[in-house]
Amino acid sequence: LAKTTQPISMDSYEGQEVNITCSHNNIATNDYITWYQQFPSQGPRFIIQGYKTKVTNEVASLFIPADRKSSTLSLPRVSLSDTAVYYCLVGDRGGFKTIFGAGTRLFVKA
Amino acid sequence: SAVISQKPSRDICQRGTSLTIQCQVDSQVTMMFWYRQQPGQSLTLIATANQGSEATYESGFVIDKFPISRPNLTFSTLTVSNMSPEDSSIYLCSVTGTSNEKLFFGSGTQLSVL
Repeated sequence: LAKTTQPISMDSYEGQEVNITCSHNNIATNDYITWYQQFPSQGPRFIIQGYKTKVTNEVASLFIPADRKSSTLSLPRVSLSDTAVYYCLVGDRGGFKTIFGAGTRLFVKA
Repeated sequence: SAVISQKPSRDICQRGTSLTIQCQVDSQVTMMFWYRQQPGQSLTLIATANQGSEATYESGFVIDKFPISRPNLTFSTLTVSNMSPEDSSIYLCSVTGTSNEKLFFGSGTQLSVL
């Protein structure tokens, strides 16, 4: 399973766009890139998943360059409630035996 | 989507005792997993709960310490045996969605061992 590297923490202000980049140099051909969000005292929650180029849903966008060795989660106009830990995972699409990295702690300030 | 209920949500236990955590899913699922999240840390996969057969444990986790049952496609239990303070963690049940595209998690069981 490919290892991922993310910033340990990030700070932002309400209303700003936040971009969290994840490095996964050893990503395999069949691997998908999936991001999860975790609030305190809750289990992680799926945000977005992609294989290549760009994916957008109602919550976020995911940008994946052609070499797929990194990816960027983009959160538009964050609010205080977006303060959470964000995990980047690389592997089987269905999450079989998913290995979580350290994650990025995002702090959104007023 | 899958709705996962875990019981208990939290417990405080004495050293040397055992606690069984239950995970109930509102639909039949193929894959069920148990994770541990130590304070301030990321999630670590304990094992895959297999229906009708023994669970598959990850390196560092053994059946004697973390016995797992999965009698059907909607239910699983994880027992934390002979507990010590080092077992104080959040234990999370997870399942793969019906479209096999993502993981769903329960809200976890926060365990404190005194």
